[in-house]
Amino acid sequence: AQTVTQSQPEMSVQEAETVTLSCTYDTSESNYYLFWYKQPPSRQMILVIRQEAYKQQNATENRFSVNFQKAAKSFSLKISDSQLGDTAMYFCAFMKLPRGQGAQKLVFGQGTRLTINP
Amino acid sequence: GAVVSQHPSRVICKSGTSVKIECRSLDFQATTMFWYRQFPKQSLMLMATSNEGSKATYEQGVEKDKFLINHASLTLSTLTVTSAHPEDSSFYICSARVQGAEAFFGQGTRLTVV
Repeated sequence: AQTVTQSQPEMSVQEAETVTLSCTYDTSESNYYLFWYKQPPSRQMILVIRQEAYKQQNATENRFSVNFQKAAKSFSLKISDSQLGDTAMYFCAFMKLPRGQGAQKLVFGQGTRLTINP
Repeated sequence: GAVVSQHPSRVICKSGTSVKIECRSLDFQATTMFWYRQFPKQSLMLMATSNEGSKATYEQGVEKDKFLINHASLTLSTLTVTSAHPEDSSFYICSARVQGAEAFFGQGTRLTVV
């Protein structure tokens, strides 16, 4: 079974700083997806960024980028120029590649509570 | 992106009663939907996978007779918490996936059993 581990329960940085959230996972699969989701106080889950394991290039979305180390099974999220609106819970998630018509489930890490201070 | 609507957003019910939570995919058809439970300051715990036209697949430790899931159409899945007790109070979230990897989540339902 796949497992996802986020070792930082809480983090806090000043506005405009850069912050990196850690995530490691365990799987025997060679092809899969990795995600970072954000859950603000509203509790609506929002996709931040996605990485396909077969792609060597790290995904980026504006201020958000990942450092994907497949051999080390590490998938960290870097937030540059952090903003007050980035304050949220961040979840790392793993998903096997879909097979046939079936949809694969997401396996979530424990989450990291990130606070951006003014 | 695709929209998943969950209703109600908040519900309070008396102990021993049942409550139904709806999850709708508004602009796409979802053959599979997922139901999660989230305790305060914790991660999402998958409860079950809801498959249109067939029985749901429950995760280990989840009581299927207590958490009834029905996925009668390609746009609607329901979760019914039967004979609710205070320990069932929690935040319930559904999600659905269009073709591809991205999952879209409902707004969640905060259930309080008194």
